[in-house]
Amino acid sequence: NAGVMQNPRHLVRRRGQEARLRCSPMKGHSHVYWYRQLPEEGLKFMVYLQKENIIDESGMPKERFSAEFPKEGPSILRIQQVVRGDSAAYFCASSSGANNYGYTFGSGTRLTVV
Amino acid sequence: KNQVEQSPQSLIILEGKNCTLQCNYTVSPFSNLRWYKQDTGRGPVSLTIMTFSENTKSNGRYTATLDADTKQSSLHITASQLSDSASYICVVSEGGGSYIPTFGRGTSLIVHP
Repeated sequence: NAGVMQNPRHLVRRRGQEARLRCSPMKGHSHVYWYRQLPEEGLKFMVYLQKENIIDESGMPKERFSAEFPKEGPSILRIQQVVRGDSAAYFCASSSGANNYGYTFGSGTRLTVV
Repeated sequence: KNQVEQSPQSLIILEGKNCTLQCNYTVSPFSNLRWYKQDTGRGPVSLTIMTFSENTKSNGRYTATLDADTKQSSLHITASQLSDSASYICVVSEGGGSYIPTFGRGTSLIVHP
């Protein structure tokens, strides 16, 4: 009965490289949410996806960031041409949908851009 | 606009003491309210979840209360331990088909020996 699995736990990228963060939701969950957390700050909503659909990406930067949740496989948060300001912890959460009762977080991916 | 306000922003207490954290919200219509504990460098972990009809929920030394009329919740920690040092986040979900909950900024609790 695995929880929300995120990998990698730590990711180091040089400026200009691409970062790919993966999130496998809990079994039975079809709704995935991505959040970003800067040091000493709260969680900031980025994007909400269901299988094969982006439902709400109002928190996602317009450039360089994209997310997908394919029919098979994990959800992917992709950051192209990373900059130092992208360094943060990125958390994924999943739920069964209705009223977020089963809202569960993964352990996060800590991205460091050098 | 839905908002969740937490207070205090930070709190320092001595080990063994009790404390209470506050959460006020404007989310409407209301579906449920959660308290999460986030240890430094870790993902948030759910402590309690309450729906409209519940006004108290306990999880070990953690007791959450909910007043849906005044739109207030509190998290009471009894006999604090060093391991309680963490950020405590209040999260409120809207009913009526919205799937994106509203997060508070959290209360940072430090327990000193």
